[in-house]
Amino acid sequence: DIVLTQSPALAVSLGQRATISCRASESVRSSMHWYQQKSGQQPKLLIYGASNLASGVPARFSGSGSGTDFTFTIDPVEADDIATYYCQQSRNDPFTFGSGTKLEIK
Amino acid sequence: QVQLKESGPGLVQPSQTLSLTCTVSGFSLTSYSVHWVRQHSGKSLEWMGRMWSDGDTSYNSAFTSRLSISRDTSKSQVFLKMNSLQTEDTGTYYCAREDTMGITSWYFDFWGPGTMVTVSS
Repeated sequence: DIVLTQSPALAVSLGQRATISCRASESVRSSMHWYQQKSGQQPKLLIYGASNLASGVPARFSGSGSGTDFTFTIDPVEADDIATYYCQQSRNDPFTFGSGTKLEIK
Repeated sequence: QVQLKESGPGLVQPSQTLSLTCTVSGFSLTSYSVHWVRQHSGKSLEWMGRMWSDGDTSYNSAFTSRLSISRDTSKSQVFLKMNSLQTEDTGTYYCAREDTMGITSWYFDFWGPGTMVTVSS
């Protein structure tokens, strides 16, 4: 199975940039997607295909990368962005998710 | 609008079978694939399996021997059945619709709110 590694937590000040990384144990090309999960809610798709913004998602969110190294960015961070962010790959079965990065406000 | 909603028993005894239903609206099961994903409390997400739009299924090998996914297109429902439940199967179970931008680029564009399942005697 492809393992996706994310840092567990990130603290950022409001109005600043948050950068979350996801490293895959083998190449997933551009088959990487990002989700936001707020406490007590289901995940919400933000980015698909490494860099495509999902419908209705603010342009403050962006994604980049290919192969094994991916970056998800929020700029600027707003209070409503407090959540856990997950990467997910669909290059190989089984689909796998990263362990999640919890975004906190400084 | 697109909606998915999971339903199930909430509490299941160890060694018993879990049966969940995902009822969808706003799209056809013959046009979109639907997946099951679970989440242990405070933990990450785990892909379980998928009902393809053509009626085929695929499963995470971690569950293959005890997981079955089926559907009733006339009722817009997808079913999950998993046997031999253990306490480690406690968690929130989600169904999610798949969208795609090409072969191997499948992602989940709509999710149900999830249903909590506790395995306990």
